[in-house]
Amino acid sequence: GENVEQHPSTLSVQEGDSAVIKCTYSDSASNYFPWYKQELGKRPQLIIDIRSNVGEKKDQRIAVTLNKTAKHFSLHITETQPEDSAVYFCAASGSGGGADGLTFGKGTHLIIQP
Amino acid sequence: DAGITQSPRYKITETGRQVTLMCHQTWSHSYMFWYRQDLGHGLRLIYYSAAADITDKGEVPDGYVVSRSKTENFPLTLESATRSQTSVYFCASSSGARNQPQHFGDGTRLSIL
Repeated sequence: GENVEQHPSTLSVQEGDSAVIKCTYSDSASNYFPWYKQELGKRPQLIIDIRSNVGEKKDQRIAVTLNKTAKHFSLHITETQPEDSAVYFCAASGSGGGADGLTFGKGTHLIIQP
Repeated sequence: DAGITQSPRYKITETGRQVTLMCHQTWSHSYMFWYRQDLGHGLRLIYYSAAADITDKGEVPDGYVVSRSKTENFPLTLESATRSQTSVYFCASSSGARNQPQHFGDGTRLSIL
């Protein structure tokens, strides 16, 4: 089954700086890689996703890159703002045990320092 | 997104009791999923359903039962609750299997004493 590793577990950056969160996956058959943002006590919300036929995708201050050969993908947030503070989860479309569904990383707590 | 709702939002029960968590979606999505979220483990897939009357196990299915008699509903039952099942449970739905976005409900915080 799929295994997703996410780093770092905590990331503190100054407001206005960039933040990068990295994930690796194990199943070469995975072809869909979403990123979710979760604020305290709230639901995970999809912020950006990428499919395996694309190397990079941008949406305003957020970008995701994918390296299929190395089996890793990254989330880049530029010009960070206080509202970016949250836990971010990466996921890959392969699932543990071969099930349909997503396998998630353990999350990165992003702290934006004023 | 009001399209997927979970109930109850909070539940406290005792070990050995049966408890059912409800999930309802209005998007007519074919796929529905149940995840549990625990500190240090992230989100883990419990069960999923590809369509009405089709369900399958995920990564951590032991102690849980699901059914899907109607496309819009996907209840999760703990037949005999244990303390290790204390968690936050999220339901999600998607229009497809592995390569379509999943949209989550607000979650149910379940405490088992």
